[in-house]
Amino acid sequence: NAGVTQTPKFQVLKTGQSMTLQCAQDMNHNSMYWYRQDPGMGLRLIYYSASEGTTDKGEVPNGYNVSRLNKREFSLRLESAAPSQTSVYFCASSPIAGAAPYEQYFGPGTRLTVT
Amino acid sequence: SQELEQSPQSLIVQEGKNLTINCTSSKTLYGLYWYKQKYGEGLIFLMMLQKGGEEKSHEKITAKLDEKKQQSSLHITASQPSHAGIYLCGAGFYSSASKIIFGSGTRLSIRP
Repeated sequence: NAGVTQTPKFQVLKTGQSMTLQCAQDMNHNSMYWYRQDPGMGLRLIYYSASEGTTDKGEVPNGYNVSRLNKREFSLRLESAAPSQTSVYFCASSPIAGAAPYEQYFGPGTRLTVT
Repeated sequence: SQELEQSPQSLIVQEGKNLTINCTSSKTLYGLYWYKQKYGEGLIFLMMLQKGGEEKSHEKITAKLDEKKQQSSLHITASQPSHAGIYLCGAGFYSSASKIIFGSGTRLSIRP
């Protein structure tokens, strides 16, 4: 039982390049999330998927797209990377959305640098 | 997030001393979460509080949620080097129960 896994762990991109961050969970959770973490800013929600087949914008969605490929996988795509997207990206999942508050389980993070 | 204020931003404490971290919202919380993050790693779930006045403890860490469900505190008793890290509070709100909004975090260092 690996929990939440993310790939890659590190990535360096040049401005304008594109890439996809992968996330998978093996806990049969309904909801999945993408956050970015910047110094002094805590975690900010980029996009989330309350259930398979749905996605919604979070606090900072501009410059990103997501795909909920199936119940296990939720990917984050940067179409044209910018230096402002240099950050640590975390994927998370939780069992149920909306009915009651449930904790989120986090992956180890992807450290992205855009030059 | 402006919806959730966490204080202090950083804290240096002598080993063995007690400390408190606070988390305040202007809106009633649906659920309040505390996480710990070791430097360069992912987040580890500590505790979740849902009811007004609720208090939970795990080893030497105690978290409380006030009766109005707008303020929470995390208290560490007799701090140890293993307590060092970044503590984040997160909150769910009734308007968007499936999302957690996080505070900016408190960086805790323990001085031997």
